[in-house]
Amino acid sequence: EAQVTQNPRYLITVTGKKLTVTCSQNMNHEYMSWYRQDPGLGLRQIYYSMNVEVTDKGDVPEGYKVSRKEKRNFPLILESPSPNQTSLYFCASRVGHQETQYFGPGTRLLVL
Amino acid sequence: SQQGEEDPQALSIQEGENATMNCSYKTSINNLQWYRQNSGRGLVHLILIRSNEREKHSGRLRVTLDTSKKSSSLLITASRAADTASYFCATAFFSGNTGKLIFGQGTTLQVKP
Repeated sequence: EAQVTQNPRYLITVTGKKLTVTCSQNMNHEYMSWYRQDPGLGLRQIYYSMNVEVTDKGDVPEGYKVSRKEKRNFPLILESPSPNQTSLYFCASRVGHQETQYFGPGTRLLVL
Repeated sequence: SQQGEEDPQALSIQEGENATMNCSYKTSINNLQWYRQNSGRGLVHLILIRSNEREKHSGRLRVTLDTSKKSSSLLITASRAADTASYFCATAFFSGNTGKLIFGQGTTLQVKP
């Protein structure tokens, strides 16, 4: 089944403790993105990647890192999480930059 | 900003009625996409309409695009309780090999049985 998977789905952590949210897609898509969704602010792009080893900042990249060493994986790294990074995170992929996006199920993060 | 803005922010209708949601944007786009999100879950793609298209249909969904007014509408006909969700428009614009897809804040639709 074609899908985007994220892990973990739920995470509670404390300020400053490094964490990684994994994202994997099995559709051989070139483009992958990370979004965060907050009430009243909608979906905002954090980082995106156009292909292996090619990444770029989205609208809210501060406090996040990404890597794209393999086509199927696009992990999101929070080196030193802070409470303002408490949010619902979505990974997404698409075959080309003009096409529709497929979203993962989301990761709900709480930073205490 | 390129962001699409949905209107209304919230809509409540009875089952069987039609629901119309609008999206406005500010600059030229390559395509516009509509997504649905059930509470707290991932977004699901509904329809993509390209800038040279004016109308598209998919089942009970009808999307129109007016590039001169920089607006789009999503019509759901004969709504069902299962249509209760948030609906987002996303505007896509591209330059060379890079592109951005920017989401609006969504319309929350409640369909009462």
